[in-house]
Amino acid sequence: AQSVTQLDSQVPVFEEAPVELRCNYSSSVSVYLFWYVQYPNQGLQLLLKYLSGSTLVKGINGFEAEFNKSQTSFHLRKPSVHISDTAEYFCAVSDPNDYKLSFGAGTTVTVRA
Amino acid sequence: GAVVSQHPSRVICKSGTSVKIECRSLDFQATTMFWYRQFPKQSLMLMATSNEGSKATYEQGVEKDKFLINHASLTLSTLTVTSAHPEDSSFYICSARGRAKGGHYGYTFGSGTRLTVV
Repeated sequence: AQSVTQLDSQVPVFEEAPVELRCNYSSSVSVYLFWYVQYPNQGLQLLLKYLSGSTLVKGINGFEAEFNKSQTSFHLRKPSVHISDTAEYFCAVSDPNDYKLSFGAGTTVTVRA
Repeated sequence: GAVVSQHPSRVICKSGTSVKIECRSLDFQATTMFWYRQFPKQSLMLMATSNEGSKATYEQGVEKDKFLINHASLTLSTLTVTSAHPEDSSFYICSARGRAKGGHYGYTFGSGTRLTVV
């Protein structure tokens, strides 16, 4: 079984400033890693994913994440945020054996002008 | 890209009635459908996993007789909340896993259903 820890429940940030959302996971097997964004009363939208290959993954809307196997981390970054980035962000891991997604508790990002 | 259409987006029902939520994959075959429940300000909790043509597998603590899941085709899965009570009020989200164009498997989420039981 795997678990996901998002270290920050809330991250306030000013517009055009950089942001980093931290995610650590634990698993006894290799996993797939994902970051999703959720706007109020909506489903989840995929930002990016790591399946294999390059550890630096680029996603939509200027987001990127780096997979660090030794530290079992998959932190999400954006160099310059916009007001529209205000949302809930979820890190998730998938077990390749049963493909179930396990989600972190989420990080609320609030971007202020 | 892959799209999952989830309906209804909002529903209010009386206590004791049943509500059906539908999820349709519009341009791909959903070999597996996952159903989640999300309480306010919380993460998604997996309720059950269903594969097309077979019975759903429920997570521990989820009542299979209360949350009926049907996955009769590769493009449609339904969740029926039977004899709903106020404590069933929540945000329900489906997620389909299937072969997208190019042969790569991915997950696509529906837009969610806000259920309020009064």
